[in-house]
Amino acid sequence: DTGVSQDPRHKITKRGQNVTFRCDPISEHNRLYWYRQTLGQGPEFLTYFQNEAQLEKSRLLSDRFSAERPKGSFSTLEIQRTEQGDSAMYLCASSPGDEQYFGPGTRLTVT
Amino acid sequence: AQSVTQLDSQVPVFEEAPVELRCNYSSSVSVYLFWYVQYPNQGLQLLLKYLSGSTLVESINGFEAEFNKSQTSFHLRKPSVHISDTAEYFCAVSVAPAGGSYIPTFGRGTSLIVHP
Repeated sequence: DTGVSQDPRHKITKRGQNVTFRCDPISEHNRLYWYRQTLGQGPEFLTYFQNEAQLEKSRLLSDRFSAERPKGSFSTLEIQRTEQGDSAMYLCASSPGDEQYFGPGTRLTVT
Repeated sequence: AQSVTQLDSQVPVFEEAPVELRCNYSSSVSVYLFWYVQYPNQGLQLLLKYLSGSTLVESINGFEAEFNKSQTSFHLRKPSVHISDTAEYFCAVSVAPAGGSYIPTFGRGTSLIVHP
């Protein structure tokens, strides 16, 4: 299967801890997106990369959040000093153009 | 900024009945419209999209949507649903890409529940 993969699929952490998620996009896609989805809501855009360059960030992305895409391949999303409000599904998508291909998501629970 | 409204959070329907999932958008510029589907325990998948040209677009599994600029709508329809169509459906809108980035705004989703 050559789809978008995310790791881990589930993460439980205590408030105040740091967490890091990984996304491996479809190899030929140069665009990569991170979203957050909470129950009963659609995905909310967090940030976007074209190759290794982070071109856009949502105002939702507080300074506790940081994302990287070294060498334009996989990407990581780190949340520092997690808060209970960070509990959500974090989705990654890659794209060759207008259509986005989503990964299965990482479900974060902050206790 | 653009926004999307999916008026129905849940749509129950019997198998083989027709269904319409409503989507309205708001934008001051030209838009690109998408419907994504999320089956239970799976990631979102593109169902269909409107970028330009014919206002009626179709998917491979029998769904269709019509872009109506005057009503700012992009409703999703299927004349006869199957049990396997049970899923969450998300409408999304994107404005003309800047630097090649289609960054969609998603609606809250509509849960389609097909009963036997």
